Amino acid sequence: DAGVIQSPRHEVTEMGQEVTLRCKPISGHNSLFWYRQTMMRGLELLIYFNNNVPIDDSGMPEDRFSAKMPNASFSTLKIQPSEPRDSAVYFCASSKQWGGSNEQFFGPGTRLTVL
Amino acid sequence: GNSVTQMEGPVTLSEEAFLTINCTYTATGYPSLFWYVQYPGEGLQLLLKATKADDKGSNKGFEATYRKETTSFHLEKGSVQVSDSAVYFCALSDKAAGNKLTFGGGTRVLVKP
Repeated sequence: DAGVIQSPRHEVTEMGQEVTLRCKPISGHNSLFWYRQTMMRGLELLIYFNNNVPIDDSGMPEDRFSAKMPNASFSTLKIQPSEPRDSAVYFCASSKQWGGSNEQFFGPGTRLTVL
Repeated sequence: GNSVTQMEGPVTLSEEAFLTINCTYTATGYPSLFWYVQYPGEGLQLLLKATKADDKGSNKGFEATYRKETTSFHLEKGSVQVSDSAVYFCALSDKAAGNKLTFGGGTRVLVKP
């Protein structure tokens, strides 16, 4: 199993530019989560999907952030326009909604730097 | 709501020392409990888990027991190695909350040779 795949691994952009982060969950998993990690705030849940439907986006910081899951194997997190305070590591994770212990599997993360 | 509290770090130890990281939780339902580990520059990896009271999770020499009476899930390892240097996160998952993980703030552990 390839695990959760995220791209790009590193992104450096300038303030005001649009940034799109991508995630491919583990096949068969029907829950997908986007997290942000910073030194100041730690690990924050931004949004999660069950069966491609957004369930809770209360963690999305503001309207500049949006996330989509057009199908079971792909999700994007978009920031438009980006700001320096968006610099962080963004993680995607997936799990099976039913059965088991709800274990989440994390991707390697995308390190975003906004100049 | 659900919450997880874990001891703040950093925790600095010598190799072969005993490690304990305290974790307590508040949950409205019957959560599953997890310890995740994050090595430098990597994503979080599941270290161990327990799904019901009195269960003991174990992996790589680490152990934690789900204590419902004290709402705790303390992580222990009898003899740490330099390679155990990482950030450790305690977390809970409540099915009533739709698989959402509630994380503690993380504890950085540094093991010196």
